[in-house]
Amino acid sequence: GAGVSQSPSNKVTEKGKDVELRCDPISGHTALYWYRQSLGQGLEFLIYFQGNSAPDKSGLPSDRFSAERTGGSVSTLTIQRTQQEDSAVYLCASSLVAGFGGYEQYFGPGTRLTVT
Amino acid sequence: AQTVTQSQPEMSVQEAETVTLSCTYDTSESDYYLFWYKQPPSRQMILVIRQEAYKQQNATENRFSVNFQKAAKSFSLKISDSQLGDAAMYFCAYRTNTGTASKLTFGTGTRLQVTL
Repeated sequence: GAGVSQSPSNKVTEKGKDVELRCDPISGHTALYWYRQSLGQGLEFLIYFQGNSAPDKSGLPSDRFSAERTGGSVSTLTIQRTQQEDSAVYLCASSLVAGFGGYEQYFGPGTRLTVT
Repeated sequence: AQTVTQSQPEMSVQEAETVTLSCTYDTSESDYYLFWYKQPPSRQMILVIRQEAYKQQNATENRFSVNFQKAAKSFSLKISDSQLGDAAMYFCAYRTNTGTASKLTFGTGTRLQVTL
């Protein structure tokens, strides 16, 4: 079946604008994760959802960042009043369930955000 | 908090040769998973291999194998018979198996170059 998809693939925005990044998980996957990959860095966890709930938002760097998930499927990561330091690749992943077990996280191709 | 360290920013290997990528981690937990992910230029993270901490036997997947040293908190990846398609960024990652935490904690990655 289809993998995790993300849109847009690339986004260039001006400093101070709001952006929305979308993630479509694999059908049937109840857990969804957002990570950020800055240039030369590893992946940094932002938030994860189990169903429509977000048990762990500890990675969101500031209150300018928010995410929601509706219908247990699509998720949107919103960054308000973007700053240049928000420039990064934003990766989404999904897994069958969260919690115990080594359930594999399947990643999407990411959205490259550039704030000018 | 758990940390993952990859001390080799770049490695190079000749085609058909063997290369080992290093990873160390820090945790006070005894039950966890370790992963190696590959990230080609397409940006999509691909799971290479997974190791469960309670298993003493090292995981293997075709040409990929790990050397898991739990006491030393070391988790290296060996790639045998290297191929041009193995060229990519490789990330080591940690995931607890305690509670409901599901996030992956990544190292900063090793860029692997494969030469003819």
